[in-house]
Amino acid sequence: SQQGEEDPQALSIQEGENATMNCSYKTSINNLQWYRQNSGRGLVHLILIRSNEREKHSGRLRVTLDTSKKSSSLLITASRAADTASYFCATANQAGTALIFGKGTTLSVSS
Amino acid sequence: GAVVSQHPSWVICKSGTSVKIECRSLDFQATTMFWYRQFPKQSLMLMATSNEGSKATYEQGVEKDKFLINHASLTLSTLTVTSAHPEDSSFYICSAPKEVGQGYEQYFGPGTRLTVT
Repeated sequence: SQQGEEDPQALSIQEGENATMNCSYKTSINNLQWYRQNSGRGLVHLILIRSNEREKHSGRLRVTLDTSKKSSSLLITASRAADTASYFCATANQAGTALIFGKGTTLSVSS
Repeated sequence: GAVVSQHPSWVICKSGTSVKIECRSLDFQATTMFWYRQFPKQSLMLMATSNEGSKATYEQGVEKDKFLINHASLTLSTLTVTSAHPEDSSFYICSAPKEVGQGYEQYFGPGTRLTVT
C-alpha cells in the first residue's frame, strides 16, 4: 500500500530555478526519507529527517517536516539538468521495518 | 556504505517460464530483506518481506504461489516469478536493512528489469 501522496506529480522547470515537492503521509512516523530515482535505475538516498526535527539541509537540498499536518517538503535550490529524476518520500511500515513509498514527483529540469 | 546487489540486472523471458532474481547483501548480514515491484511511471510497491529461516510475509494482493521467496542465507534472498506473464513485466527492487545505531538504514539493490514476452 502507498503511504500517501506527492504533489505535484510532475514538475518542469528551467535550470537555476528552485523545485519544491510535497509529500503527505497517513500514520505517525519516527522519520521520513527522500529518495531520487533516475529513469529505469535504482534508488539514491537523499536525506532523512526525524520526527523531532522540523528542517534539515544537505547541500542544495532542504527538507521540512510538519508532523501536525503529516506532511514534508523537499526543496532543491539552483536546480541543474542532472537533477532530472523522480523523487519519492518514504516512511516505515507499521512493523517499522520496510519502507512505504509515496507516489513520487517527476522533475524535469531543462537547460 | 553498505552494498546490496541484484542479479540479473535485466532479463527477458517467454510467457509461462519462471525467472529467478537474486538479492545479496555484500558486506553485511540481513535476516530480513524486502522485495518491491515498480511499474513504469509508478512508485515502488512493497511485495513481501523475506525472512531468513522462516516463511516470507506477503503484502495484501500479492500471490505467494506466483512470487516464491527463499531467504537461503543471511546474505541472499531470491524471488522467483513462476509461470510469468506479460503483466508481470516490471522493475523488481530488493532492499536490506542494516543496523545503524539504535535503528536501521535500508540499502537498496540496483533493481532487475523483467520483460515477459
